[in-house]
Amino acid sequence: DAGVIQSPRHEVTEMGQEVTLRCKPISGHNSLFWYRQTMMRGLELLIYFNNNVPIDDSGMPEDRFSAKMPNASFSTLKIQPSEPRDSAVYFCASSPSGGPPLHFGNGTRLTVT
Amino acid sequence: EDQVTQSPEALRLQEGESSSLNCSYTVSGLRGLFWYRQDPGKGPEFLFTLYSAGEEKEKERLKATLTKKESFLHITAPKPEDSATYLCAVQAPGSQGNLIFGKGTKLSVKP
Repeated sequence: DAGVIQSPRHEVTEMGQEVTLRCKPISGHNSLFWYRQTMMRGLELLIYFNNNVPIDDSGMPEDRFSAKMPNASFSTLKIQPSEPRDSAVYFCASSPSGGPPLHFGNGTRLTVT
Repeated sequence: EDQVTQSPEALRLQEGESSSLNCSYTVSGLRGLFWYRQDPGKGPEFLFTLYSAGEEKEKERLKATLTKKESFLHITAPKPEDSATYLCAVQAPGSQGNLIFGKGTKLSVKP
């Protein structure tokens, strides 16, 4: 099994630039989650999808953040415009229908200067 | 507000020195408690799921237990390769699977 695949692994960008993070969930998994991890706040849920439909986006910090899941094998998280406080590690996770456990990718470390 | 609190924040052990990590939670109607291991630069790796008080799960040197208010991860005779951050999470009530995570315990095992 390939597991959850995220790209890029590292992203360094300047404040104001658009950033797009990508995720390929495990084949056959119906739910997809985007989390953000920082030292101060730990892992926080941003948004999750069930069968490609956004279910709960209450964790998305601002309108600068948006997420899409155009099909069962691909999702994006976009930040536009990016700010230094967005610097964190962003994780994508997927799970089969019926719920947890979640299976995580290895994350994208985002640095906004 | 649903919360998950882990203690201690960091734990240093000598190889072979057994200990326990604590996860206390405040959530109504627990639907599942999950333990994960996270290595530097990697995503969390699933270890155990516990559903009801009194339940226990074991894997190698790790044993997870659950009461109505907390869970323990017992580490017996740890080895340096057990060094990692251990995360505890609960399933949010009414959710379709999203988890609420604690901030983790960073375990270091010295040879």
